[in-house]
Amino acid sequence: GAGVSQSPSNKVTEKGKDVELRCDPISGHTALYWYRQSLGQGLEFLIYFQGNSAPDKSGLPSDRFSAERTGGSVSTLTIQRTQQEDSAVYLCASSFTPSGAYEQYFGPGTRLTVT
Amino acid sequence: QQQVKQSPQSLIVQKGGISIINCAYENTAFDYFPWYQQFPGKGPALLIAIRPDVSEKKEGRFTISFNKSAKQFSLHIMDSQPGDSATYFCAAVEQTGANNLFFGTGTRLTVIP
Repeated sequence: GAGVSQSPSNKVTEKGKDVELRCDPISGHTALYWYRQSLGQGLEFLIYFQGNSAPDKSGLPSDRFSAERTGGSVSTLTIQRTQQEDSAVYLCASSFTPSGAYEQYFGPGTRLTVT
Repeated sequence: QQQVKQSPQSLIVQKGGISIINCAYENTAFDYFPWYQQFPGKGPALLIAIRPDVSEKKEGRFTISFNKSAKQFSLHIMDSQPGDSATYFCAAVEQTGANNLFFGTGTRLTVIP
């Protein structure tokens, strides 16, 4: 079946602009995660959604970052007033249940470049 | 602060050789340790994982060794092949917690034919 999809695959934006990144998880997966992958820094957890529960936003680096998940499926990560340090690959992952956190299936990512 | 420390940053191995990547952690509440493999332009994919109640897990050419007392674990790739060339990430998760993965910084493996 279809895996996790993300769009756009690449995004170049000017400093100060807002951007929206989209994630379509695997159908039926209840848990959805956003990570940021910076060069040489591994993957950094940003936010976690589980069903209709309030999201775990503990990884968001600043209040310029926010995310929504509509209807328990598609998620959008929004970065307001982008800064050059926001340049990274943003990865989305989903899993079937919260207890299967290690069985996270990742999308290909969105490469964000802030000029 | 990096919750999972990974080394080396890069590794070059001859075809047929053994690739070894090491990770260490501090949080004793971690209870699951997966390894992910990432090819350029792709997202990470789960490769193999281990729980702390076993000292070794083997799947094909891939083996995880786990030392609970030392809080260290490692990935061994036997008979390394050029197709294994990728970036490998170790990770840890506390499954009774927020369930987010804490990743190491990655090891770029190159297997020379």
